[in-house]
Amino acid sequence: GQSLEQPSEVTAVEGAIVQINCTYQTSGFYGLSWYQQHDGGAPTFLSYNALDGLEETGRFSSFLSRSDSYGYLLLQELQMKDSASYFCAVRDNQGGKLIFGQGTELSVKP
Amino acid sequence: NAGVTQTPKFRVLKTGQSMTLLCAQDMNHEYMYWYRQDPGMGLRLIHYSVGEGTTAKGEVPDGYNVSRLKKQNFLLGLESAAPSQTSVYFCASGKRESQETQYFGPGTRLLVL
Repeated sequence: GQSLEQPSEVTAVEGAIVQINCTYQTSGFYGLSWYQQHDGGAPTFLSYNALDGLEETGRFSSFLSRSDSYGYLLLQELQMKDSASYFCAVRDNQGGKLIFGQGTELSVKP
Repeated sequence: NAGVTQTPKFRVLKTGQSMTLLCAQDMNHEYMYWYRQDPGMGLRLIHYSVGEGTTAKGEVPDGYNVSRLKKQNFLLGLESAAPSQTSVYFCASGKRESQETQYFGPGTRLLVL
């Protein structure tokens, strides 16, 4: 089976940098995705890593280490609007499905 | 381009009643999914479809049925609603060649009394 672990809550101040970690156990691995969900809203896709290394998209970056079964989402220059839940997800080895972590609730304080 | 739409947005049911949730996408995506989201539980896959006329069970399929008669629509049915099915239901769609990217609808909030 597949399982993912991520912290349930993270708090940071505006302008700071925060890292949200995700470790996974999987019998087959294609890549690691990250999704953002604001309170009451729909999840939206942020990034995907299939290979080791860092992918940067504006203030957000995502990192993957396949050998360590570990990845993280890095948010820089935090803004109040970044307060949301962040989910990591792996693609199921049988294809067609994503398995989501339980989410990390990020609170950005002034 | 409406993306993924869900009907209804909110519904209250009594235990034992039935209902159908409708999901529609206009992006010509092959894959469609139904999730439920409960506090502290993340997104759990109920059923999914990799193409018109095909469906498969996800992580929590009991008490639900689905149909994908048209490529753009994916229906989720509750035959006999239970309070344990009180949840927020999200539909999503995606392309076969980029399964890591799913596009979600706005959600349906269901309360079963």
